[in-house]
Amino acid sequence: GEDVEQSLFLSVREGDSSVINCTYTDSSSTYLYWYKQEPGAGLQLLTYIFSNMDMKQDQRLTVLLNKKDKHLSLRIADTQTGDSAIYFCADNFNKFYFGSGTKLNVKP
Amino acid sequence: DSGVTQTPKHLITATGQRVTLRCSPRSGDLSVYWYQQSLDQGLQFLIQYYNGEERAKGNILERFSAQQFPDLHSELNLSSLELGDSALYFCASSVRDRDDNEQFFGPGTRLTVL
Repeated sequence: GEDVEQSLFLSVREGDSSVINCTYTDSSSTYLYWYKQEPGAGLQLLTYIFSNMDMKQDQRLTVLLNKKDKHLSLRIADTQTGDSAIYFCADNFNKFYFGSGTKLNVKP
Repeated sequence: DSGVTQTPKHLITATGQRVTLRCSPRSGDLSVYWYQQSLDQGLQFLIQYYNGEERAKGNILERFSAQQFPDLHSELNLSSLELGDSALYFCASSVRDRDDNEQFFGPGTRLTVL
């Protein structure tokens, strides 16, 4: 089955950019997603990218997709303490596969 | 608030018992998905229903079963519970079958098996 991998932790200072990386194994996915999970809450869709795109920008969020390397990244510009959460990448080839989540810690 | 509701919020039970988790999708959503989130396994897709029919199956144990009712709410039944079943169980819904844009997640049910 599909394997989606992420690094577990990322720590940045407030105001810096955060880059969260994700690799996946199946290249047939139509869409790739980034979800955010705040403590004690469910997952919230942040953004998604269609598989024929290389980049998508949405306010402070930039998604980069490298299909050749099967690498997806989420860049958060001007990271705020409110961005502290767990970030999941996911793809939906037949079923939804989620990465293990990257815990982003933003230090004031 | 995603519009997806799950009950109960917390559930504490003993090994060997059976529990039922309930999910009400957003109004108008026909698909319901169940996920298990545990510390060691991460977030795993369990099963999906669309308009009452099973559509996709993930890593769901045989001790677990689910169904979607005519009013589109769904129940996840967990039986012969083991300590390792302790986890957060999320339900999500979407408008279409395997909606390619967005699943809306409920707040989850935290199951503790003692």
